[in-house]
Amino acid sequence: KAGVTQTPRYLIKTRGQQVTLSCSPISGHRSVSWYQQTPGQGLQFLFEYFSETQRNKGNFPGRFSGRQFSNSRSEMNVSTLELGDSALYLCASSLTRASYMNTEAFFGQGTRLTVV
Amino acid sequence: ELKVEQNPLFLSMQEGKNYTIYCNYSTTSDRLYWYRQDPGKSLESLFVLLSNGAVKQEGRLMASLDTKARLSTLHITAAVHDLSATYFCAVDANTDKLIFGTGTRLQVFP
Repeated sequence: KAGVTQTPRYLIKTRGQQVTLSCSPISGHRSVSWYQQTPGQGLQFLFEYFSETQRNKGNFPGRFSGRQFSNSRSEMNVSTLELGDSALYLCASSLTRASYMNTEAFFGQGTRLTVV
Repeated sequence: ELKVEQNPLFLSMQEGKNYTIYCNYSTTSDRLYWYRQDPGKSLESLFVLLSNGAVKQEGRLMASLDTKARLSTLHITAAVHDLSATYFCAVDANTDKLIFGTGTRLQVFP
């Protein structure tokens, strides 16, 4: 079955602009999480959605937002881009993070965002 | 706040040798994951450890979990070049999010 699909794969944006990233989870998976990966900070949790509701949010400024649609696809948005937002943004899907037995998260290929 | 520490950060090892990567975490959890990442690529799931004493093996890699010690290990047996990658452990503390370790960059040379 198809894996987690993230689009676009690469993006170059200018400071001050905004960007929207998309993630399509594995069919049947209802939980989508977003992570930011940078050389300096490593992998950091952004937020997690389940059934269109944000269940958890990491320590990121309000410029970072997201949403999930009824088909479980998710988008994240970053407004007023800063140079420090340059990173690999990874999306992960799982059946449900509340399930003890089915918590394995599968990651997409990521979107590499460069802010210049 | 949950913290996850991995060591070593870098590991350069000769083919055929054995070594262990350690993952310590600061709060109670019985769900721990190991991932592999190749340069410029995404995270590939290696192991899911869901209970104290869990041990899983795949090829030359074996992972274990000791929830009482809050410690997981990833043991590499007879390393080969193809194992060169960065390995991450991640802990789920029932908060619907994964907290990742710093990663261990493994380089296997002839």
